Amino acid sequence: GAVVSQHPSWVICKSGTSVKIECRSLDFQATTMFWYRQFPKQSLMLMATSNEGSKATYEQGVEKDKFLINHASLTLSTLTVTSAHPEDSSFYICSASRLISSYNEQFFGPGTRLTVL
Amino acid sequence: KNEVEQSPQNLTAQEGEFITINCSYSVGISALHWLQQHPGGGIVSLFMLSSGKKKHGRLIATINIQEKHSSLHITASHPRDSAVYICAVKELTNKLIFGTGTLLAVQP
Repeated sequence: GAVVSQHPSWVICKSGTSVKIECRSLDFQATTMFWYRQFPKQSLMLMATSNEGSKATYEQGVEKDKFLINHASLTLSTLTVTSAHPEDSSFYICSASRLISSYNEQFFGPGTRLTVL
Repeated sequence: KNEVEQSPQNLTAQEGEFITINCSYSVGISALHWLQQHPGGGIVSLFMLSSGKKKHGRLIATINIQEKHSSLHITASHPRDSAVYICAVKELTNKLIFGTGTLLAVQP
């Protein structure tokens, strides 16, 4: 099956620093990658959608200058949390979409737990 | 009212029991996903279906498009099935809308 990896799986950083999270589709080329955020005991919230070589589309209320998304290739997307603050502490999940029989199926990464001190 | 509703929110079962988790939605969809999230956080896609029924091992998923309803069944439940089960629908705009999840605990 299709595998999506994320790195790192967890990160602890100081307030004010920037953190980069990588999302890779390991055995397929992803037409689109998605970034989600999940707070404890809540469901996933879509942050942005990114296509290779173009600017990401951010959901309402998500600051594009705060959460920088780069989609450099069909197998790699990165999310950079800039000037992180404790309220940015969350579980970040990416997913990658692949076209299967005219349907875009999404495969999820294992997530990255960010803790900002 | 959420566009995707799951029930129950919490479910405790004894090992071996037959389990059903329900999902109702109010939007037009192209497909529905059932996902499993373990305490570590990683999400595994169990099923993607747009009609009828699918079976994988002890898991069965059904969908009724007319009634906008889907069910996930687990037969002969086991403690390792303990996880959060999430229903997500793919809107006609291609966005995924997630339910709030059902926390399942299977006791030995």
